[in-house]
Amino acid sequence: QVQLVESGGGVVQPGRSLRLSCAASGFTFSSYGMHWVRQAPGKGLEWVAVIWYDGSNKYYADSVKGRFTISRDNSKNTLYLQMNSLRAEDTAVYYCARDPSSVRGVDAFDIWGQGTMVTVSS
Amino acid sequence: DIQMTQSPSSLSASVGDRVTITCQASQDISNYLNWYQQKPGKAPKLLIYDASNLETGVPSRFSGSGSGTDFTFTISSLQPEDIATYYCQQYDNLSWTFGQGTKVEIK
Repeated sequence: QVQLVESGGGVVQPGRSLRLSCAASGFTFSSYGMHWVRQAPGKGLEWVAVIWYDGSNKYYADSVKGRFTISRDNSKNTLYLQMNSLRAEDTAVYYCARDPSSVRGVDAFDIWGQGTMVTVSS
Repeated sequence: DIQMTQSPSSLSASVGDRVTITCQASQDISNYLNWYQQKPGKAPKLLIYDASNLETGVPSRFSGSGSGTDFTFTISSLQPEDIATYYCQQYDNLSWTFGQGTKVEIK
């Protein structure tokens, strides 16, 4: 079935780095744009970054621009988020989400992973 | 950036009640408005896309309407399994923004 599975979360000190992964299965990964969305404990949803289906374009929220890098490996059906210079305010559950706009013309997040927790603390 | 104002922040209703949530955009977003349901400890789930289109497999008691800046999400007959937080979300010019969420509880 269609599935996204995140990994790589954990506890990290402020200023350090972490890389998240999102493994896709059950669909043609290389045909879809992909996003990262995060949710701080007890808070709402915040969009983080997007990458086009072919990796040609990447965009970021102002809160992470210059510190986070989104990438993908279509040969491995995997999405990544490299997070550098982490801050306490980056503490959140990080979700990867599929964007079907390039396939069915719908700008939405139609499939979500289960999320991976990132805690930035000394 | 476009801001989304969602209300109410929480509500309590009885099983079978009609529930309505509103979302207002800070500028015209046409119909680029989606609605999600998030149950505790779970990932969000897409319910409505492009303001009024029901995602495949979503029960017909969920509906959405609106365009421009004002949007409405309705549960026609609240069921116990609808207990969740609901979010609106807009897309405009390479910016994706969520509303603050509405927590729906059973009275």
